Amino acid sequence: EVQLVESGGGLVQPGASLKLSCVASGFTFSDYWMSWVRQTPGKTMEWIGDIKYDGSYTNYAPSLKNRFTISRDNAKSTLYLQMSNVRSEDTATYYCTRHGGYPHYWGQGVMVTVSS
Amino acid sequence: DVVMTQTPVSLPVSLGGQASISCRSSQSLVHSNGNTYLHWYLQKPGQSPQLLIYRVSNRFSGVPDRFSGSGSGTDFTLKISRVEPEDLGDYYCLQSTHFPLTFGSGTKLEIK
Repeated sequence: EVQLVESGGGLVQPGASLKLSCVASGFTFSDYWMSWVRQTPGKTMEWIGDIKYDGSYTNYAPSLKNRFTISRDNAKSTLYLQMSNVRSEDTATYYCTRHGGYPHYWGQGVMVTVSS
Repeated sequence: DVVMTQTPVSLPVSLGGQASISCRSSQSLVHSNGNTYLHWYLQKPGQSPQLLIYRVSNRFSGVPDRFSGSGSGTDFTLKISRVEPEDLGDYYCLQSTHFPLTFGSGTKLEIK
């Protein structure tokens, strides 16, 4: 069974940095592209970006490219999202997904609240 | 970015009835390789989204045949027949033909 478990969320101040993690199990992590998607409190869904199975290539939504970085550690079956200079509009639930051109499987999500 | 317009916003249905959700894109979703990358997801209350239909009309693993997708170009439809209680939730379309990937704004399927 594919399992994706995110962690690292919480309350963070504007301008701070935060790193989310996603531990994968139930499949060979290094065989798959992975991605991050977020959902705002108003339920708007936004694709953040994805990363190739070997970590050699990433794509980002242009609006987030300068502040968000996706990486992975295949030895640990873990996907990361580094968020920098966070803003109130980054408040959302962040989902890790197993990606095959589009999200196939989703984690349970982790909440990030940006507030002073 | 490709804008995905979903209608209706809310869809009251009777259990056992049929539901139809529309998703229209601001430009054609036919890729240069000839495929159309339009997908449908269901987010049940309190859960993460789950893939229902991929590439317009293909049911994902374990999805009952009560769910069907159709459409082409810029106009797509998800139909749910014989609606059951576990079908309730928010439905989203997603296009992955064009970069960046973009979602529809969602349709809430609820009991009439």
